[in-house]
Amino acid sequence: DAGITQSPRHKVTETGTPVTLRCHQTENHRYMYWYRQDPGHGLRLIHYSYGVKDTDKGEVSDGYSVSRSKTEDFLLTLESATSSQTSVYFCAIWAGQSNQPQHFGDGTRLSIL
Amino acid sequence: KQEVTQIPAALSVPEGENLVLNCSFTDSAIYNLQWFRQDPGKGLTSLLLIQSSQREQTSGRLNASLDKSSGRSTLYIAASQPGDSATYLCAVRSGNAGNMLTFGGGTRLMVKP
Repeated sequence: DAGITQSPRHKVTETGTPVTLRCHQTENHRYMYWYRQDPGHGLRLIHYSYGVKDTDKGEVSDGYSVSRSKTEDFLLTLESATSSQTSVYFCAIWAGQSNQPQHFGDGTRLSIL
Repeated sequence: KQEVTQIPAALSVPEGENLVLNCSFTDSAIYNLQWFRQDPGKGLTSLLLIQSSQREQTSGRLNASLDKSSGRSTLYIAASQPGDSATYLCAVRSGNAGNMLTFGGGTRLMVKP
């Protein structure tokens, strides 16, 4: 299995609070991604990173920010959580070559009350 | 904009049947196509990756084919087993930088004993 660790695995919090999810990889892959998965919407890209301090927006980036200060860590922050951000969040990594697969973490289940 | 469609959305078969899952995409300028498996409450597990220059890939009872010109891929599962029950997702890597995957909505497979 690809070395991807997401933390926390489960979190319940209240509307308006800040939340940070962490993704840690041991593969030294260049690319890291944050997705959310919701019934009826499938997997949607939030933000991704193509190197340390290099990030870009995905299709559902509003309300989210990211940071990557080290190759191995990619943080997703909800500055002021809303109930619409209740979801399962997945981190993924990719080495950057077309013959290499993208690998996913086990997910973080986030509930915002 | 790349769009990926998977048909059928759900499939129920008796154990032992050979089955085919379908994936279609709108833009044939792809770098690769990846098939994933997702068990309930779990992350995505990469099954097969087909590069744009390849026609098929095989792993055990799984065979994936790619027809780039027609924008289609199939995942063939031989001699299905109850343990194959899961959601199967296909994703294509395309775009100018080729650094993002576009996912289909998935096929939910149930193999009955």
